[in-house]
Amino acid sequence: GESVGLHLPTLSVQEGDNSIINCAYSNSASDYFIWYKQESGKGPQFIIDIRSNMDKRQGQRVTVLLNKTVKHLSLQIAATQPGDSAVYFCAEKGGGSYIPTFGRGTSLIVHP
Amino acid sequence: GAGVSQSPSNKVTEKGKDVELRCDPISGHTALYWYRQSLGQGLEFLIYFQGNSAPDKSGLPSDRFSAERTGGSVSTLTIQRTQQEDSAVYLCASSPDRGSFSGNTIYFGEGSWLTVV
Repeated sequence: GESVGLHLPTLSVQEGDNSIINCAYSNSASDYFIWYKQESGKGPQFIIDIRSNMDKRQGQRVTVLLNKTVKHLSLQIAATQPGDSAVYFCAEKGGGSYIPTFGRGTSLIVHP
Repeated sequence: GAGVSQSPSNKVTEKGKDVELRCDPISGHTALYWYRQSLGQGLEFLIYFQGNSAPDKSGLPSDRFSAERTGGSVSTLTIQRTQQEDSAVYLCASSPDRGSFSGNTIYFGEGSWLTVV
């Protein structure tokens, strides 16, 4: 039978496509948000972050968008490559806490 | 090395034994976190150290779990009388300082994979 919790949300894309990974956060007092990439067998790797006084921040091939009205965060990856295949986590922090809270993660699969 | 270092990278232990997991944070980082990640799951907060302040232990799942941080640097997570449900990846992370935006960035180690048989 199925094991609860083993099936992460999955996004499958073709190499070269743009990918958008979404995250809904829970705490309206959160003021700092982080995206991490976790490859199989490795620890989470920092990708990009954004503060709540911004609604967009760009890095190399990645853009994070923040919509505080609906408590939604997205990570856009341009020209997705097979090496981008991983699980992506969003994390939120703030509201008086220094402890980031992580979402469950989205598995990105990039097909060559 | 320049990153967060964890040891052992893999540990298989028998149920009922005690285990110690070590974390060496990035030099100069004052904040240190321990998280647990079970298969296919997100990251579960365990404990947080900041400088010389009392640690936030609110995430520890039972009194079998404890952690200490000596000299404001290296940290050890101890699990006593291990159970099969303790099998997971134990991740350590560190951060420079809680007072500034750039200091909020948290860097993770590669984790210690614990299997209790």
